[in-house]
Amino acid sequence: DGGITQSPKYLFRKEGQNVTLSCEQNLNHDAMYWYRQDPGQGLRLIYYSQIVNDFQKGDIAEGYSVSREKKESFPLTVTSAQKNPTAFYLCASSANEQFFGPGTRLTVL
Amino acid sequence: DAKTTQPTSMDCAEGRAANLPCNHSTISGNEYVYWYRQIHSQGPQYIIHGLKNNETNEMASLIITEDRKSSTLILPHATLRDTAVYYCIVRAYNNAGNMLTFGGGTRLMVKP
Repeated sequence: DGGITQSPKYLFRKEGQNVTLSCEQNLNHDAMYWYRQDPGQGLRLIYYSQIVNDFQKGDIAEGYSVSREKKESFPLTVTSAQKNPTAFYLCASSANEQFFGPGTRLTVL
Repeated sequence: DAKTTQPTSMDCAEGRAANLPCNHSTISGNEYVYWYRQIHSQGPQYIIHGLKNNETNEMASLIITEDRKSSTLILPHATLRDTAVYYCIVRAYNNAGNMLTFGGGTRLMVKP
């Protein structure tokens, strides 16, 4: 089946620790995106990548980092510099319309 | 990208048509209207998009006014599984990528 996978579905970390969220797609899409969603709110763009080895900051990139070494993969690292990391994180890829993964709910204790 | 205005919430009886409005009065000529929905704690799901003609697929119909300043998403026979937040987004496809700007959306509650 073609699609986007994110793992894990739930993630718990202690404050001050970096954590990396996985996103893999087998849709052969060039573009991939990371969004953050807080309770009752819409999605906000963190980073996006239009092609391998290239990525750009979105609206709320501070405290996050990404890499795009392979077309299929776009991992997101939430660093200790992110002041409010607890949120629902969504990965997407697109050729035209965007397809979203199931999301990772990160809780920082 | 143009901003959109949607009602915060709506109710619909199961089996009836759900009509979700969206205002996008500042839409540009090259901007499309996209609809996504998000069921609780899941990733958003693409529903439909259009430029100026009405569109229909297996999920829904999209009616865009002639002046393109507003549109309506129609779910012809709503079911309980259609309960979700529905997002109306307008954007132009350009070389900068297919970023979507999500507003607050409309929370649709389908009731038995």
